[in-house]
Amino acid sequence: EVQLLESGGGLVQPGGSLRLSCAASGFTFRIYPMSWVRQAPGKGLEWVSLIGGSGSGGSTYYADSVKGRFTISRDNSKNTLYLQMNSLRAEDTALYYCAKGALDYGGLFDYWGQGTLVTVSS
Amino acid sequence: EIVLTQSPGTLSLSPGERATLSCRASQSVSSSYLAWYQQKPGQAPRLLIYATSSRATGIPDRFSGSGSGTDFTLTISRLEPEDFAGYYCQHYGSSPWTFGQGTKVEIK
Repeated sequence: EVQLLESGGGLVQPGGSLRLSCAASGFTFRIYPMSWVRQAPGKGLEWVSLIGGSGSGGSTYYADSVKGRFTISRDNSKNTLYLQMNSLRAEDTALYYCAKGALDYGGLFDYWGQGTLVTVSS
Repeated sequence: EIVLTQSPGTLSLSPGERATLSCRASQSVSSSYLAWYQQKPGQAPRLLIYATSSRATGIPDRFSGSGSGTDFTLTISRLEPEDFAGYYCQHYGSSPWTFGQGTKVEIK
């Protein structure tokens, strides 16, 4: 059974940093693309970042809204996905989901975690 | 960037009725790389439909998808109580992988 468990969310001041983690199990983590998708309170879904699997050399992609501030990475030895978030803004406040991509279409999200809440406020 | 516009924003229907949700893309979605997700309150999204019309594992056949180019539709043939939820379309052909703003299906 595929399981994705996010952690690391919390309250942070504007301009601060936070690192999210997503522990994966139930599938061969290293070969699959993985993404972060966020949802602001009462709003819709916004794709944030994607990292390719081992076959793609771990290519990374970012939404324009986070480019230059967020960094996605993975540790295949620990089956864990990360999102380093710097220079946080109020508009980054959201529930951050970890999502597994399909093997051939990385942007198709077939499994999701339950999310970790990030609140950016002074 | 492909912008997806969903309509209506809210659909008020009774159990047993048919629901038709629309998703329009700002440009043609290549090879019908169009997916639909369902999200219930307090839960993570769940993949329903991919490649415009293919149901994901475990999705009942009352859910169907259709369309091509820039116009896509999710149809729920007969609404069950558990189908009242939010629905999002998404294109997954290339980065950035964007979502529509969502349609809420609520009990009338």
